[in-house]
Amino acid sequence: QKEVEQNSGPLSVPEGAIASLNCTYSDRVSQSFFWYRQYSGKSPELIMSIYSNGDKEDGRFTAQLNKASQYVSLLIRDSQPSDSATYLCAVISSGSARQLTFGSGTQLTVLP
Amino acid sequence: SAVISQKPSRDICQRGTSLTIQCQVDSQVTMMFWYRQQPGQSLTLIATANQGSEATYESGFVIDKFPISRPNLTFSTLTVSNMSPEDSSIYLCSVNGVGNTEAFFGQGTRLTVV
Repeated sequence: QKEVEQNSGPLSVPEGAIASLNCTYSDRVSQSFFWYRQYSGKSPELIMSIYSNGDKEDGRFTAQLNKASQYVSLLIRDSQPSDSATYLCAVISSGSARQLTFGSGTQLTVLP
Repeated sequence: SAVISQKPSRDICQRGTSLTIQCQVDSQVTMMFWYRQQPGQSLTLIATANQGSEATYESGFVIDKFPISRPNLTFSTLTVSNMSPEDSSIYLCSVNGVGNTEAFFGQGTRLTVV
């Protein structure tokens, strides 16, 4: 079983819609969760971090964490074509030297 | 956030040769991480580089193939040795932010082996 799992997509949404990206993780005691955005040919860019259960909002982005279900999601409101990228879920698991474990990424396309 | 300079940004190399990738950080950090991202794939950790000690390699990666240096708290190198086309990937250097939480990445090195 992979440690961090994402739907690989591709996911397509129309401009202005809500894009919903999902991620599950296997290490129950994981404490830190991140969403990175990666444009083609570029390095990953941190867009959200979340550490406690519930929702965390930053502009058009909302991260949701449910530790009981071992589930973290990212919602993008009012999606724009510039949001088209691969979104990587990442987790810092217990017993690690603070390195991240990444999911396989979800490719999002926002259609104008 | 840390500013990470990585070079070269890209290279095309001959099979059997070696390439050394450099990573410079604008602040002192305890740990530096090297990732590989194969085409269409996510990031896989190669090794963790600590200053003053041997790098710690993840399963599937060995020092002979990917020797790492960490001479001080702001600099590290990763060498891809005896390259084959299967080594064609993006290689990324990473450090953790203040509080040792989120990771920040260099711009990556896009390696093509022919």
